[in-house]
Amino acid sequence: AAGVIQSPRHLIKEKRETATLKCYPIPRHDTVYWYQQGPGQDPQFLISFYEKMQSDKGSIPDRFSAQQFSDYHSELNMSSLELGDSALYFCASSLFGVRRNEQFFGPGTRLTVL
Amino acid sequence: AQTVTQSQPEMSVQEAETVTLSCTYDTSESDYYLFWYKQPPSRQMILVIRQEAYKQQNATENRFSVNFQKAAKSFSLKISDSQLGDAAMYFCAYRSGTGANNLFFGTGTRLTVIP
Repeated sequence: AAGVIQSPRHLIKEKRETATLKCYPIPRHDTVYWYQQGPGQDPQFLISFYEKMQSDKGSIPDRFSAQQFSDYHSELNMSSLELGDSALYFCASSLFGVRRNEQFFGPGTRLTVL
Repeated sequence: AQTVTQSQPEMSVQEAETVTLSCTYDTSESDYYLFWYKQPPSRQMILVIRQEAYKQQNATENRFSVNFQKAAKSFSLKISDSQLGDAAMYFCAYRSGTGANNLFFGTGTRLTVIP
């Protein structure tokens, strides 16, 4: 079965640069979630989208923005990168109303900021 | 706000033995879901088991079962017949049944399986 796809899998950036992470949900899934997992930490919710509209917002810095496109893929844009942004970024997707919105996680994008 | 607490940063178990991982949570909601996720060295987040708060029966998935104590707000995971492949970080997670759909995670328990 198709899973959530994230690209790139690894990304290295310098401080103050920008980065764009992409997420392709499971086909027919309409909701996308972004989580950030710092080294040795638990995943923290950043933001989610349902039917291309922002649905919930967590601890997402103002330097970050995200959107969901007409094909339901989502992009997380990160600007003015800081060393503390180095983390594993997960995308998860779900289908509204199915199994009470059970989330399926992608493999993550590992961002390293030097 | 919902909080999830895992008081055991590390646990170890002998292969083929049974181990229980603890999780407590705090919420004022009556409708919610609880999950255990496994994160092996590959860092992939894998759903192990889920429990709906309105169900009194404890969930079971093969060698994995939970002890859900709603009044005590406790949600422990029991792994029976532990295998080397069970070695991973285990996260307990909470999701509201009526509000936002995002997951709140505990800080995790690292499980080591000793051959």
